[in-house]
Amino acid sequence: GQQVMQIPQYQHVQEGEDFTTYCNSSTTLSNIQWYKQRPGGHPVFLIQLVKSGEVKKQKRLTFQFGEAKKNSSLHITATQTTDVGTYFCAANFNKFYFGSGTKLNVKP
Amino acid sequence: NAGVTQTPKFQVLKTGQSMTLQCAQDMNHEYMSWYRQDPGMGLRLIHYSVGAGITDQGEVPNGYNVSRSTTEDFPLRLLSAAPSQTSVYFCASSSAGGGNTIYFGEGSWLTVV
Repeated sequence: GQQVMQIPQYQHVQEGEDFTTYCNSSTTLSNIQWYKQRPGGHPVFLIQLVKSGEVKKQKRLTFQFGEAKKNSSLHITATQTTDVGTYFCAANFNKFYFGSGTKLNVKP
Repeated sequence: NAGVTQTPKFQVLKTGQSMTLQCAQDMNHEYMSWYRQDPGMGLRLIHYSVGAGITDQGEVPNGYNVSRSTTEDFPLRLLSAAPSQTSVYFCASSSAGGGNTIYFGEGSWLTVV
């Protein structure tokens, strides 16, 4: 089964609204990665978090790694139609496991 | 930059047929893997390899075989296709170590009728 749980499964927002997806693990993670998959495309690496409590920003995207290194979040401020896609977290348990993904739809 | 190359991009199979999905990477990555993606199921790991001559099972290995005779190539074989294997398949590679970027191929859309 899935080693990492990701919620929500779907999110529909109006353009300009914020969006957050969460990733949770029952075990401590050495690192966590985030990927974005555009409709019909393949997953593309966004970022990696390694340190406890780490926060990284990429323009309107903010990534956080929990203090216990068991959870992570991706927050998008003021969504745009270009943000449409599925966002996955991925964790390494001797092999990479992906969360089930959060599919984001942005209505213009 | 070729990166990870998968072929074919689209394939329709009849139940019981066998086929091989090809995957090649030109980044000298040690780690290669195959995932399948079904609606609402995310990416599930089928098989993976940490180097030439070494393969291991992922979450959903049944019905699939792999081999890794070279660093560059990691083919996925469907032994006797079943409708449940209708999916999008992604090959991926990364350099050794747990924290390295995973590079994905563009995907292979497989339909089994």
